Amino acid sequence: SYELTQPPSVSVSPGQTARITCSGDALPKQYAYWYQQKSGQAPGLVIYEDTKRPSGIPERFSGSSSGTTATLTITGAQVEDEADYYCYSTDSSGHHSGVFGGGTKLTVL
Amino acid sequence: QITLKESGPTLVKPTQNLTLTCTFSWFSLTTIGLGVAWIRQPPGKALEWLALIYWDDDKRYSPSLKRRLTITKATSENLVVLTVTNMDPADTGTYYCARFNGDYEGFYDYWGQGTLVTVSS
Repeated sequence: SYELTQPPSVSVSPGQTARITCSGDALPKQYAYWYQQKSGQAPGLVIYEDTKRPSGIPERFSGSSSGTTATLTITGAQVEDEADYYCYSTDSSGHHSGVFGGGTKLTVL
Repeated sequence: QITLKESGPTLVKPTQNLTLTCTFSWFSLTTIGLGVAWIRQPPGKALEWLALIYWDDDKRYSPSLKRRLTITKATSENLVVLTVTNMDPADTGTYYCARFNGDYEGFYDYWGQGTLVTVSS
């Protein structure tokens, strides 16, 4: 079955830039979406269609995609950005099913 | 304000079937481009996508769980039901429903709070 691969953890100091990658064979053809999940909460959308930011999401969050890798970038990470981040996409086979990456724990300290 | 809420048993025995209901408000599954999905999360682990039902009753399932899952909707009642057969302790986790917004591809813009289901004898 289709898989998306993320690094288990990323750590930065406040004010630094955090980059979280997501690799998948179908990403050249399918959009990537990014969800933030803080401890004890349901996930929330932070990036959709590779690069778009929903209203209310700070400008420091941005997304990009090239080839088989999508990247979530947090420019000037804040302590409140500490969370688990999941990429999501759709497989391009006949199943058209969704898939989440394994998640990346972002530590900001 | 758009809301979704999951309901169902908190404890099921191995081999039993699980039926979860997602009740939502302030949107309708008669609206083109909308759907409702189920996503679960074992304790301390990653999100796992399970199933999605579209406004036109098209359905998508996780390939690895397809044989055990059934998703249905009751449009007039604003609810979506997920059935998981033959539950196993590995199915323990928080089950979320979320609103899907898009067509073939899309995003989940509203989520329920989740409901914890434990599978144990």
